[in-house]
Amino acid sequence: KNQVEQSPQSLIILEGKNCTLQCNYTVSPFSNLRWYKQDTGRGPVSLTIMTFSENTKSNGRYTATLDADTKQSSLHITASQLSDSASYICVVSAAGNTGKLIFGQGTTLQVKP
Amino acid sequence: KAGVTQTPRYLIKTRGQQVTLSCSPISGHRSVSWYQQTPGQGLQFLFEYFSETQRNKGNFPGRFSGRQFSNSRSEMNVSTLELGDSALYLCASRRTGQLKETQYFGPGTRLLVL
Repeated sequence: KNQVEQSPQSLIILEGKNCTLQCNYTVSPFSNLRWYKQDTGRGPVSLTIMTFSENTKSNGRYTATLDADTKQSSLHITASQLSDSASYICVVSAAGNTGKLIFGQGTTLQVKP
Repeated sequence: KAGVTQTPRYLIKTRGQQVTLSCSPISGHRSVSWYQQTPGQGLQFLFEYFSETQRNKGNFPGRFSGRQFSNSRSEMNVSTLELGDSALYLCASRRTGQLKETQYFGPGTRLLVL
């Protein structure tokens, strides 16, 4: 069964600190993996997208890594800001499936001053 | 360029009623996908439309249906509403629906079923 699991479920850090969110998946065959940020009350916004051949992708203070062998991905946030408080969702797309995406449950991050 | 818009933003219905939600994709985008988001289940894929044809479907009962018009606007209908249908319904668009394309989400319609 195609699944995406994220950890931790929630996280609280102090402003300025770094953090890493994890995503493990069992989707096969794999096509790509995306990280989304969802602010409360709003739709998700794409942060990064990586295919099988890419093992790292950055978007400002956000850096995603992908290990296709172990089927793991991480999202590292550097020098966190209060505006980073949101849910971060890992999404995996299976090859050959043009529209259906498998979503993780998300990690809720709270950045405190 | 305007983003994805959804109407209405909030909706309250009672059990047994039916509801229609609307989504206008970004101009030039022909693929529209619908998702249900609940605290317990997270985001779940409902269906995707491309050029007025349903291209993919998630594991939802037949009470959930959709359609897409020639201008790429899409509607989603839920008949015989149940309490468990209370959720945030999100639509997302992308240009052609190819695997690596970024999906752009709308703000969602929050449905409350009483």
